[in-house]
Amino acid sequence: AQSVTQLDSQVPVFEEAPVELRCNYSSSVSVYLFWYVQYPNQGLQLLLKYLSGSTLVKGINGFEAEFNKSQTSFHLRKPSVHISDTAEYFCAVSENTNAGKSTFGDGTTLTVKP
Amino acid sequence: DTGVSQDPRHKITKRGQNVTFRCDPISEHNRLYWYRQTLGQGPEFLTYFQNEAQLEKSRLLSDRFSAERPKGSFSTLEIQRTEQGDSAMYLCASSPDLSNQPQHFGDGTRLSIL
Repeated sequence: AQSVTQLDSQVPVFEEAPVELRCNYSSSVSVYLFWYVQYPNQGLQLLLKYLSGSTLVKGINGFEAEFNKSQTSFHLRKPSVHISDTAEYFCAVSENTNAGKSTFGDGTTLTVKP
Repeated sequence: DTGVSQDPRHKITKRGQNVTFRCDPISEHNRLYWYRQTLGQGPEFLTYFQNEAQLEKSRLLSDRFSAERPKGSFSTLEIQRTEQGDSAMYLCASSPDLSNQPQHFGDGTRLSIL
C-alpha cells in the first residue's frame, strides 16, 4: 500500500516571494510522483512528474520539484509566486505496476497575497 | 485533444434517488479512472477500466455504486439509493496504457444530496 502526506494544509505567502509545498510518501515498491494543481470547480491539471533519472524536475508555470529517495520526499518549489498561483496543490504517487492508479495527498491551499 | 469531459457538471437530487454520471475520455486513451473528492481532501480512487474491462474496484465502491465502460469508450458511474454521504465531487480521468503516464482529469460532477 502507498500513502502520501502533505505536511501543510495551508500556505499563505506574499506575491513574488518563494514558496515550498512539502510532500512525503511511503510505498513498498518503486513509484512515480506527480504534482497537480486544482482551481475552484475544476479538475486537476498536471504541473510536473518524476519518473526516473534526474531528481530535479521542472514543470509548467515556473514550478520545480526535487525527488529525495532517502527522505521519501517530493517537495514542490517556485522561486517567485504570482497572484494567479493561488490554488489547491496535490501531490500524488503511482506504483510502478500495471494499474497506474494514483494515491493523492489531502492537498495544500496556496494563497498568494498582494 | 479535446480533453476529458464529464456530464453533468452539477447534480442535485433527493436522498434515495438514483443518479448517473457520464465521462468521455481522451479518444486515444485506453485507461479510465473514477475518483471521489470530498471537501478538504484529495481524490480517492474508486475504480478503473482498461478498455472495456473493469480491472479494479476500491472498497469505497459499495454495492450501490456501479460503473461501466461499454465498447471501451465513454464510461458511466451510477449511484443507486443515494445517501447524504454520497455528496462529493466525482472526477474522471484517462491516460494512455502505460503506468508511468499522468492522468488527464475532467472538471468533475458535483453531487449534492438534499
